[in-house]
Amino acid sequence: GAVVSQHPSWVICKSGTSVKIECRSLDFQATTMFWYRQFPKQSLMLMATSNEGSKATYEQGVEKDKFLINHASLTLSTLTVTSAHPEDSSFYICSARPGAGEQFFGPGTRLTVL
Amino acid sequence: KNQVEQSPQSLIILEGKNCTLQCNYTVSPFSNLRWYKQDTGRGPVSLTIMTFSENTKSNGRYTATLDADTKQSSLHITASQLSDSASYICVVSMGDYKLSFGAGTTVTVRA
Repeated sequence: GAVVSQHPSWVICKSGTSVKIECRSLDFQATTMFWYRQFPKQSLMLMATSNEGSKATYEQGVEKDKFLINHASLTLSTLTVTSAHPEDSSFYICSARPGAGEQFFGPGTRLTVL
Repeated sequence: KNQVEQSPQSLIILEGKNCTLQCNYTVSPFSNLRWYKQDTGRGPVSLTIMTFSENTKSNGRYTATLDADTKQSSLHITASQLSDSASYICVVSMGDYKLSFGAGTTVTVRA
C-alpha cells in the first residue's frame, strides 16, 4: 500500500523558535498533500491543502504566516511552525493523495513547545 | 452543518468479546465513508471504505455497515484482541478532498 512518512516523529522546542516538519510519500507521487492538527481526544482538523508547485490553501482560522507550507516536489511537503508558542503544541498529521484518490496518512509528529 | 458524530466516546471490553461502534453523519454531499484505526501517537490507518451503494464491508475481524438512508454506519469488532486497543475514527468524504472526521471512539481491550 501507499506509504507516507513524517519526520521528525516528535520534537520539543523552546517558545519563539521555528520548527520544520517533513511529509514524504515514499512509493507514489502526491499531487496534493494535506496538513492536519489533532489536539488530545479531538478530531483531526484540516489546516491547509497544498498542491505541488503552487501556494497552499489554508482553512479559515489558520494563520498562513505562522504555518508555512511548501510543496516543492511530488513527494515532499514541509510545514514550518514559525515562532512557536505553547499553544501550538499538538499532534500534526499529514496526508498525501495520488491524483483524486484516497488520502494516505502519515504517522504524525508530536510537537511540544516549552 | 456537516457533522460526524460517534458513539460511544469510549468503551472497555474484555479480550475475545465483540463490540460495535456507531457513527451518524449529516454530511452532504456524500461520496464515501471510511473507518480508520488510530493507535496512540500514530496516524490513522484505513480499515474499510464504503460508497453509497454498499451496505457492508469486512476487513478481517472488522465489519462495517452503512445505511445511507438513515445516514448511519457501524463498525463491528469480532473476537477482540489486545492490539485492537486504539481510537476508531469515522470519516465521511464529500466528493472532493474535503473529509469530515468524527471525534473517534477509544476502545480499550483488557485481558
